[in-house]
Amino acid sequence: QKEVEQNSGPLSVPEGAIASLNCTYSDRVSQSFFWYRQYSGKSPELIMSIYSNGDKEDGRFTAQLNKASQYVSLLIRDSQPSDSATYLCAVIRNGAQKLVFGQGTRLTINP
Amino acid sequence: KAGVTQTPRYLIKTRGQQVTLSCSPISGHRSVSWYQQTPGQGLQFLFEYFSETQRNKGNFPGRFSGRQFSNSRSEMNVSTLELGDSALYLCASTTGDLNTDTQYFGPGTRLTVL
Repeated sequence: QKEVEQNSGPLSVPEGAIASLNCTYSDRVSQSFFWYRQYSGKSPELIMSIYSNGDKEDGRFTAQLNKASQYVSLLIRDSQPSDSATYLCAVIRNGAQKLVFGQGTRLTINP
Repeated sequence: KAGVTQTPRYLIKTRGQQVTLSCSPISGHRSVSWYQQTPGQGLQFLFEYFSETQRNKGNFPGRFSGRQFSNSRSEMNVSTLELGDSALYLCASTTGDLNTDTQYFGPGTRLTVL
């Protein structure tokens, strides 16, 4: 079992709709959770970090964390073509400065 | 505040050669981590340096090594290059405080091994 799992996609969403990206992790001592966005040929760019159960909102983005289910998700509201990218879920274990990444979900927003 | 910088941005080497990549963290950040990204394996952790000491290490062979200088700049070295070492090498910096662990990535160095 991979430590962090994501659907590789591609996920296709019409412009203006909500894009929902999901991620599960296997290590229960994971303490920090991140979503990065990566455009083709570029480096990962941090979108959201979340540490506690529940929702965290930042503009059009909402991260949701459920530690009991070992599940973290990212919602993108009012999706724009510029949101088309690969979204990487990453976790950090308690006390370790080591990001463990999922394989990423490729998201395409169709105008 | 300037972001993470990496040099060079592109490199072409041949099998058997060695290569050194450089990373300058965000000002004030004392931790530098290195990652390898390939289409098949995704993003994988290589190692992390904090205050000139390797604090964490991933599952890579000894051909991959690194170091950190007193100004927090870091270098990684790959010796005896193999075709499979072709990848995007990313460094990320953070303050080093384990309670504030957000990592910010540099633009990466794309290494091609022929």
